[in-house]
Formats: sequence, C-alpha cells, structure tokens
Amino acid sequence: DIQMTQSPSSISVSLGDRFTITCRASQDIGNYLSWYQQKPEKSPKLMIYRATNLEDGVPSRFSGSRSGSDYSLTINSLESEDTGIYFCLQHKQYPYTFGAGTKLELK
Amino acid sequence: QIQLVQSGPELKKPGESVKISCKASGYTFTDYAMHWVKQVPGKGLKWMGWINTYTGKPTYADDFKGRFVFSLEASASTANLQISNLKNEDTANVFCARLGKGGLDYWGQGVMVTVSS
Repeated sequence: DIQMTQSPSSISVSLGDRFTITCRASQDIGNYLSWYQQKPEKSPKLMIYRATNLEDGVPSRFSGSRSGSDYSLTINSLESEDTGIYFCLQHKQYPYTFGAGTKLELK
Repeated sequence: QIQLVQSGPELKKPGESVKISCKASGYTFTDYAMHWVKQVPGKGLKWMGWINTYTGKPTYADDFKGRFVFSLEASASTANLQISNLKNEDTANVFCARLGKGGLDYWGQGVMVTVSS
C-alpha cells in the first residue's frame, strides 16, 4: 500500500498568517493527490484536486503544489473559517490512502 | 444541485447486519464511481472501496473483504453498503463520496453506525 505521511499533525496559527501542510508519498502517485477540509461533525470537503487545481468555490488563498513526492497545501492569509482538519488522499493506486490529518487551530 | 443523501443513524448489536443507502441526485448516476469511506469518531479517514455505477462491479480494500457488500439500485440512483456480522470495531461514521474529475468531489452527510451489546 502507498503510505501518505502528513505533517504537521496539528498547529496553531494566527489570523493572517501563511501556513503549509505537506504529504509525502511512499511511491510515485503522479498528480493523483487531493486535499480535503473537514469541520467538526461535517463531511470532508474537496479543496484541491490533481495536486494543484483549486476546486470550484474554494477561496483563492488556498493553493496546492508538488515537489517530487512531496505535496503541499498552502493557505495564504489565514481566516477564522479555515480552522478544521485537513487530509490528503492519493488515488493513484488501490487501496486509496489518506494522510493522518492536520488539525489547524487559531492561536 | 448535486447531492448525496445517506440513510439515518444505526444502532446494532454484534452479529447483526446493517444496510446503508446513498441516494444521488443532480447528475447522471452511472457517469461517476461511488466510493465508501470509514471514519471512527475522532480519528482519520479510511478508504473502504468503490463500486462502478455503470457495471455494478465492486472493489474492496483488504480490510473490508468478506463482511462488506457494495450494491446498486441504479434505477433509483442509489448505492448501498451492507455490513454483516457486525463487530464493535465497525462502530464508525460511514460516508459515500463521488469520484469526480480529480478527487472525491461530493460527499454524503455520513451515517453513524454504532455496534453495542
């Protein structure tokens, strides 16, 4: 199975700060990587697909990038509504695998 | 608008079975695969597998082979998940999600399955 190592596991960030989450894939997954935000008691929401593409309706302060086997989600100028847990998902190979999640809180 | 609406919460005893439904609307059901994802409360997400909504062929992750069955009622734009011989460790929120252009773009609201004697 492909392992997705996500970091950090949690972080407190101030409003207006820039923040980056990273997932490292244990095998080549190309750009078959997507990012999700989950709020408490809610379903995950797709934020970025195919590593770098912003899903419709997602604010432009969110962006995705790739460097080799490292995939990053960056939030520029954090807003209060951005708190929650973020997960990456590889869908290159079965079984699809998620990162363990990053809990983003406001300082 | 596109929606996936799942059935309600379930409380079951060990050894019993449960069937969860996921009704799609707002798009052509057979054009997109349906995936199933498990989340133990307070924990991460685990991919259970998927079903080809055009052919009906299911694919299961290893941990979900044997007691788990994905099925369709295509005429009703509904995907189902049946879990038999329930165990305490099946207690979780179970989501259906549509695989779109490059990710799971629409999700059901989740069904909390609680297994307790």
